[in-house]
Amino acid sequence: NAGVMQNPRHLVRRRGQEARLRCSPMKGHSHVYWYRQLPEEGLKFMVYLQKENIIDESGMPKERFSAEFPKEGPSILRIQQVVRGDSAAYFCASSPKQANTGELFFGEGSRLTVL
Amino acid sequence: KNEVEQSPQNLTAQEGEFITINCSYSVGISALHWLQQHPGGGIVSLFMLSSGKKKHGRLIATINIQEKHSSLHITASHPRDSAVYICAVSRGDGGSQGNLIFGKGTKLSVKP
Repeated sequence: NAGVMQNPRHLVRRRGQEARLRCSPMKGHSHVYWYRQLPEEGLKFMVYLQKENIIDESGMPKERFSAEFPKEGPSILRIQQVVRGDSAAYFCASSPKQANTGELFFGEGSRLTVL
Repeated sequence: KNEVEQSPQNLTAQEGEFITINCSYSVGISALHWLQQHPGGGIVSLFMLSSGKKKHGRLIATINIQEKHSSLHITASHPRDSAVYICAVSRGDGGSQGNLIFGKGTKLSVKP
């Protein structure tokens, strides 16, 4: 049973470009969470999704960021018109249940560098 | 003041020592997670607990709900335990259970 798969592991973008980060949860997991880790800072929650639904996006910046988890395929975190401050590690986690009842399984992260 | 506080921020130990990392929180929670992150690497979930104590190999996690405090213990520490250990909580106030609040982490270095 493969773990949580994130790709790309490393992504370099110039200011103004778009970044798409993908997360394939563990088989059988229907809950996906995205977190951001800025350089020298702690992890911050961004968004919680179930299949085809955004459950909680209270941690998402109001502009340029969006997330989806379609019926088929991976969850995608999309950042439009990237700026240098978006440079960070983005982690995805999945769970068979909500995070207060089911263990979380994390991916290796996607490290975004904005030039 | 952060809602989840960890201490110490940095910890250096000699191989074989018993290690304790502390986590205090100020919000109502439904679960607490201990995570491990190696430099430049991914994150591994060590424990999820809502009461009592859990043990896995040389790792032990305890939680005291009344005191809003959790500890992570490592017995017979080894250099491969060197990593950042992160405490995170799921709110218990009816908010989204997927919305974790993280501590800033404790950087552990175990010297041979």
